[in-house]
Amino acid sequence: KQEVTQIPAALSVPEGENLVLNCSFTDSAIYNLQWFRQDPGKGLTSLLLIQSSQREQTSGRLNASLDKSSGRSTLYIAASQPGDSATYLCAVRSPGGYQKVTFGTGTKLQVIP
Amino acid sequence: DVKVTQSSRYLVKRTGEKVFLECVQDMDHENMFWYRQDPGLGLRLIYFSYDVKMKEKGDIPEGYSVSREKKERFSLILESASTNQTSMYLCASSRRPRVYEQYFGPGTRLTVT
Repeated sequence: KQEVTQIPAALSVPEGENLVLNCSFTDSAIYNLQWFRQDPGKGLTSLLLIQSSQREQTSGRLNASLDKSSGRSTLYIAASQPGDSATYLCAVRSPGGYQKVTFGTGTKLQVIP
Repeated sequence: DVKVTQSSRYLVKRTGEKVFLECVQDMDHENMFWYRQDPGLGLRLIYFSYDVKMKEKGDIPEGYSVSREKKERFSLILESASTNQTSMYLCASSRRPRVYEQYFGPGTRLTVT
């Protein structure tokens, strides 16, 4: 059974700092990994999707990497801004039905002005 | 712009009541999903539907049922609400071949007293 863990559960950083969020998963047989952002009281917004054959994906100040063999992904946020404050979740899609997506519990990020 | 709407943002119901949560999407997506999100547990799939009148159980279907009579609408039904069903409920939709590109609604926070 796939398990996805995100540590730390919460993170507070000063504005302008570069930061890394971590996601680990127990079964390396995955199709893809996706990073989401969730603002308070709102649904999830997709940030980046990495296919299992890829090592990284970039979008603006965000860079996500994937190391399938070690069961790890990182989301790098450059020059953090207060508007980046949100909860970040990773989700892994695994074999066993095309709907089999396992979500992590998220890292709550606060960027202090 | 894809839009997924949920009928209520906040809902308070009593134990034993029958509860309907409605989700509507406007992008003609084939797939629709219901998740619940709990602290420390992440998002867990309750049910999903890949076509009108078609449904499949997710990871935690017990105590829930669903209905999809029209392509744009997917309803989650709690036949007899219990306090352990107090949670945030998130609806999502996606196109059939791109199930990982899920678009989420804002969520319904349900409290059962």
